[in-house]
Amino acid sequence: NAGVMQNPRHLVRRRGQEARLRCSPMKGHSHVYWYRQLPEEGLKFMVYLQKENIIDESGMPKERFSAEFPKEGPSILRIQQVVRGDSAAYFCASSPPSLAGDEQFFGPGTRLTVL
Amino acid sequence: SQQGEEDPQALSIQEGENATMNCSYKTSINNLQWYRQNSGRGLVHLILIRSNEREKHSGRLRVTLDTSKKSSSLLITASRAADTASYFCATDDGETSGSRLTFGEGTQLTVNP
Repeated sequence: NAGVMQNPRHLVRRRGQEARLRCSPMKGHSHVYWYRQLPEEGLKFMVYLQKENIIDESGMPKERFSAEFPKEGPSILRIQQVVRGDSAAYFCASSPPSLAGDEQFFGPGTRLTVL
Repeated sequence: SQQGEEDPQALSIQEGENATMNCSYKTSINNLQWYRQNSGRGLVHLILIRSNEREKHSGRLRVTLDTSKKSSSLLITASRAADTASYFCATDDGETSGSRLTFGEGTQLTVNP
């Protein structure tokens, strides 16, 4: 059973471009979470999705950021018109249908650098 | 300050010594988890302790939870150089099924050979 997969592992964008980050959850997992980690800081929750539904997006910036988890295919975190402050590591985690707050399995992350 | 704060921020010890890291949180929880992150890598789940548990062991790891003080500790015994990493505690919000985790800022542990 492969772990959570994220691609690309490293992404470089110029200011104003779009960044698309992909996450394939573990087999059998229907819950996906996106977190952002700035240098020397802990992870900050962004969004929680289940298949075709956004459950909690309270951590998402109001503008430029969007996320989806379609019926088929990976979850996508999209950042439009990137700015330097978007440079960070973006981690995806997944979990099976379960009780509240059980273990989440993390992917290796995508490190976004905005020039 | 935020849910899930670790202290110390940084800890440097010699191989073979024990390392203790502490975590405090503010709201009610269903469980508390500890994760490890090696530099530039993803997170590895270490241990989960539920709110009705007081202590849990896994190999060289020992976790305690005091819900009255809203605090937890992670003890790594007989540390090794390979234990060098950042350690984070994470809590759920205690109410929502499949809820998000709130992470602290982490403790950077350095184990010197």
